[in-house]
Amino acid sequence: QKEVEQNSGPLSVPEGAIASLNCTYSDRVSQSFFWYRQYSGKSPELIMSIYSNGDKEDGRFTAQLNKASQYVSLLIRDSQPSDSATYLCAVSAYSGGGADGLTFGKGTHLIIQP
Amino acid sequence: DVKVTQSSRYLVKRTGEKVFLECVQDMDHENMFWYRQDPGLGLRLIYFSYDVKMKEKGDIPEGYSVSREKKERFSLILESASTNQTSMYLCASSLQADGYTFGSGTRLTVV
Repeated sequence: QKEVEQNSGPLSVPEGAIASLNCTYSDRVSQSFFWYRQYSGKSPELIMSIYSNGDKEDGRFTAQLNKASQYVSLLIRDSQPSDSATYLCAVSAYSGGGADGLTFGKGTHLIIQP
Repeated sequence: DVKVTQSSRYLVKRTGEKVFLECVQDMDHENMFWYRQDPGLGLRLIYFSYDVKMKEKGDIPEGYSVSREKKERFSLILESASTNQTSMYLCASSLQADGYTFGSGTRLTVV
């Protein structure tokens, strides 16, 4: 049974600070890793994908992957109140995540305090 | 942008009814998926499809079936709705090389 673990939170971060979200996964053959943002009452929205060890930056977002430790993280710099949402980590054993469906964590609820 | 459209935002059905949830995507994606999302349980994969007339069971297929007669359309069928199928149902599509695009979801209540 593939598992993806996230701290459910809530994680409270002051506006302008760095928010750090963490995720661990159980399946060692996992190759594709995704972060989704989900606002209350809305569907998940893809914000980052990462496939190789190291960091990947996109604007205020940085995804970090360490396959040896089976650990993925998402950093949000200069946090804004609009970043308040639930962040879902998702993992696939296949490149691109297409072959067998993504396994999702239950999400971390992030609150940015103005 | 890829658009994934789910036909109903809210549905209320009676126990024992046959329920059809429709999903259409407009970007020629090969892959389509159905998830349900429940508080405390997260997103769970019900069924997925990689081609027309092709389907694969996900983690929780019991009580559900699917149909994919055309590439752009993927239907989820609840053969005989039960109260434990009350949930948010999310359809998604993808190409091979990237993550999913989700539809806006259908909140189904079975009474």
